[in-house]
Amino acid sequence: GQQVMQIPQYQHVQEGEDFTTYCNSSTTLSNIQWYKQRPGGHPVFLIQLVKSGEVKKQKRLTFQFGEAKKNSSLHITATQTTDVGTYFCAAMDSNYQLIWGAGTKLIIKP
Amino acid sequence: DAMVIQNPRYQVTQFGKPVTLSCSQTLNHNVMYWYQQKSSQAPKLLFHYYDKDFNNEADTPDNFQSRRPNTSFCFLDIRSPGLGDAAMYLCATSSRTLGADTQYFGPGTRLTVL
Repeated sequence: GQQVMQIPQYQHVQEGEDFTTYCNSSTTLSNIQWYKQRPGGHPVFLIQLVKSGEVKKQKRLTFQFGEAKKNSSLHITATQTTDVGTYFCAAMDSNYQLIWGAGTKLIIKP
Repeated sequence: DAMVIQNPRYQVTQFGKPVTLSCSQTLNHNVMYWYQQKSSQAPKLLFHYYDKDFNNEADTPDNFQSRRPNTSFCFLDIRSPGLGDAAMYLCATSSRTLGADTQYFGPGTRLTVL
C-alpha cells in the first residue's frame, strides 16, 4: 500500500535555529497535509498542499510540495519554544484516508 | 465555537473489562474517525463512518467496535481491553469534499489498562 516516509525522527535545535522535516513517497500524491501535535495534545491541522511545486508560508513556517508531487517539506525559521511538538505529514489516498508519516519531533535544547 | 469533544479525557479500566469512549461534534461533519495513538507514533486509523456507512480498517482487531447513532455522536467500544490497548484514542471529523479532507481532532481519551 501507499507509504509516506518522514525524516528525521527527532531534531534537536537551539532556540533561534531553523528546523526542517521531509516527507517522501514512491508514488505521486494527490495532496499532502501537515499537522502539529504539541506534547500531550492532539494533532492540529496546519496546511494542505495540492499543486505541483506549491509553496505556502505561515509566518515562520514554509511548506513546499515537490514538482513531481512525491515529496514535501516543512521549514521553520528561527524556532521558538512554542514550536515544540511533533510535526506529521499525511497524504490522502484514493479512499480519502490519510496515510501518515512517522512524525518529526522538534526538541529545543535548554 | 464548533468543536470535537471527547469524554472522558482519561479512562482507567481493568484487564478484560469493557469500556466505551465517546465523541461528539458540533461541526456537522459527515465523516467521523477513530484513531489509536501510542507514544511517539503516528495516529493509526481504526475505522470511520461516512454518514451512516461504517468502514473498518483490515487490521483493526475485532475487540474494537463502533457506533454512530446520529451525525453528532460516535462511540468506541473496547469489549475486552488488553494491556496492549493502553493508548490515546483520538476522534476526528471531516467534511469530505473532492480533493480535500482536512481532519479536525478532539482532545483525545487516554486509556489506561490495569
